[in-house]
Amino acid sequence: EAEVAQSPRYKITEKSQAVAFWCDPISGHATLYWYRQILGQGPELLVQFQDESVVDDSQLPKDRFSAERLKGVDSTLKIQPAELGDSAMYLCASSLVNRGDAFFGQGTRLTVV
Amino acid sequence: GQQVMQIPQYQHVQEGEDFTTYCNSSTTLSNIQWYKQRPGGHPVFLIQLVKSGEVKKQKRLTFQFGEAKKNSSLHITATQTTDVGTYFCAKGSARQLTFGSGTQLTVLP
Repeated sequence: EAEVAQSPRYKITEKSQAVAFWCDPISGHATLYWYRQILGQGPELLVQFQDESVVDDSQLPKDRFSAERLKGVDSTLKIQPAELGDSAMYLCASSLVNRGDAFFGQGTRLTVV
Repeated sequence: GQQVMQIPQYQHVQEGEDFTTYCNSSTTLSNIQWYKQRPGGHPVFLIQLVKSGEVKKQKRLTFQFGEAKKNSSLHITATQTTDVGTYFCAKGSARQLTFGSGTQLTVLP
């Protein structure tokens, strides 16, 4: 069964350091989402791509976060510099164009110390 | 921020009891989706509702979309320990997917 792949699964970093997460969506899925989920809360959308274009990044803290999907396939989310409040699960999801249901990866659990 | 409200935030039930979670929006929704997230896991898509008054069933799970398309519910009949997890509703389509805060279900054996 096709899956959304994310790496790493876990990341511990010191504050002020840079950190990057990678996501490979299900083949053929043009829509890719990055979500942040704080423990006990629902996923919060950070950025949404349609192919290589950003559709929505209104909730992305652009002073420290950046995301790219250069070839419209896999994607990278970067944080520089990391802050203590960035500790959370970072989830990647993908979906077919014009389909609502999103398939999530296992996520990257980030701890900033 | 969250644009759909879910209640209750937490629910503890005895195995075999029923469970219902509610999702409410102040605006009309084009569709509503439901996801389940097991402890330590990632959200898994359950179902999407599109039509006013729509009711869909998946075994012991019944999903309903309100007539005004502003609310939705998920009802589980005769809960089992495998139903443990957090249930999220999400509004939107492929162009916008916004999650509610979730209802965390605990099933006591």
